[in-house]
Amino acid sequence: RKEVEQDPGPFNVPEGATVAFNCTYSNSASQSFFWYRQDCRKEPKLLMSVYSSGNEDGRFTAQLNRASQYISLLIRDSKLSDSATYLCVVNSATGGSYIPTFGRGTSLIVHP
Amino acid sequence: NAGVTQTPKFQVLKTGQSMTLQCAQDMNHEYMSWYRQDPGMGLRLIHYSVGAGITDQGEVPNGYNVSRSTTEDFPLRLLSAAPSQTSVYFCASSYSKLALIQYFGAGTRLSVL
Repeated sequence: RKEVEQDPGPFNVPEGATVAFNCTYSNSASQSFFWYRQDCRKEPKLLMSVYSSGNEDGRFTAQLNRASQYISLLIRDSKLSDSATYLCVVNSATGGSYIPTFGRGTSLIVHP
Repeated sequence: NAGVTQTPKFQVLKTGQSMTLQCAQDMNHEYMSWYRQDPGMGLRLIHYSVGAGITDQGEVPNGYNVSRSTTEDFPLRLLSAAPSQTSVYFCASSYSKLALIQYFGAGTRLSVL
């Protein structure tokens, strides 16, 4: 079982819709959590960090549920430009270092 | 500010050839890493470094070597290329040894025939 799991989708939604993705992780000692966005044939770029209390950045809201070991990303009022793959990343301590583990990504397609 | 620069962007190798993928960052970041991305597999960590002179293995290190002689550079060496190493390779860096926010290079698309 992969340590970080995401529904690959694709999620196909109309403009203006609200869409949510979940990401589950297996290591209960995981320390930090992130959502990255990756456009087709491009490098991943940080979308937002995920804080324990939840956090919001414009139309994007991230939540962390440590008890159930998942993080979520909510996108409100979807735009065509939101079409991309969304990667969740979980950092866990290994020895003296932190190892980021990426989920396989969730594909979002926003259509007119 | 160039960020993370990877060269080459594209490369075709024959089985058994060796080559080095270059990665340089100009942000004075301590943490640098190499990933490979394959369809349906997501990004998998190959090797990482928390500072000059310090490297360690990630999830899929076999067939790859790294070194970190300076803060800026973190080359990835393929010793004897195999078709299974056909992939997109990304280098990333982070200001924190905790590998918090990572900044990625544009990637190297490698085909091994």
